[in-house]
Amino acid sequence: DIVMTQSPDSLAVSLGERATINCKSSQSVLYSSKNKNYLAWYQQKPGQPPKLLIYWASTRASGVPDRFSGSGSGTDFILTISSLQAEDVAVYYCQQYYSIPPVTFGPGTKVDIK
Amino acid sequence: QVQLVESGGGVVQPGRSLRLSCAASGLNFRSYGMHWVRQAPGKGLEWVAVTAHDGTNKHYADSVKGRFTISRDNSKSTLFLQMTDLRDDDTAVYYCAKDGAVYGDGYWYFDLWGRGTRVTVSS
Repeated sequence: DIVMTQSPDSLAVSLGERATINCKSSQSVLYSSKNKNYLAWYQQKPGQPPKLLIYWASTRASGVPDRFSGSGSGTDFILTISSLQAEDVAVYYCQQYYSIPPVTFGPGTKVDIK
Repeated sequence: QVQLVESGGGVVQPGRSLRLSCAASGLNFRSYGMHWVRQAPGKGLEWVAVTAHDGTNKHYADSVKGRFTISRDNSKSTLFLQMTDLRDDDTAVYYCAKDGAVYGDGYWYFDLWGRGTRVTVSS
């Protein structure tokens, strides 16, 4: 199974500042012939189910604000929140869907307001 | 309104069985692969099982293989998870989640989640 790691475990950012979360996979999730990275990001607010933010590593899901962006390729990926808002306090998970079954998730990164 | 609503959770003793349901509305349920994903208290996300849009192909996490069975009734837009021989470490919130692909083999990312149903395995 592909192992997903995330860093940091948690971070606190001032309102309006940038938040950056790293995700690393134990093997490449790039499907070369399709030039697609099989990597998704989810946001989970307290007491709520996860919500899809990003798929194919950089495609924003419907209705997701453009302050959220995904980048990276192969084994290293980044989720960036360009200007942190109060409603962005949550745990963020990356997930690979390249090598299935199973899909695997990162352990999560908790984002708080400084 | 597009939504998934899980039900059937509860407190159950180790070794017993439980059946979860997930009712879909506002979407063409039969077009999508459907998954179960669980989250133990205070922990991260663990994929459990998937069924293809037509109920043919099914896959399971090693941790539940041989104990859990995923199924669906497209005529009723409902997904099921039959759980047998439950263990303490099956305690979790169970979410049903819709695959991001239409038909085919699915993409296995999840673009719609239910609010979950809590399963507690305890003597």
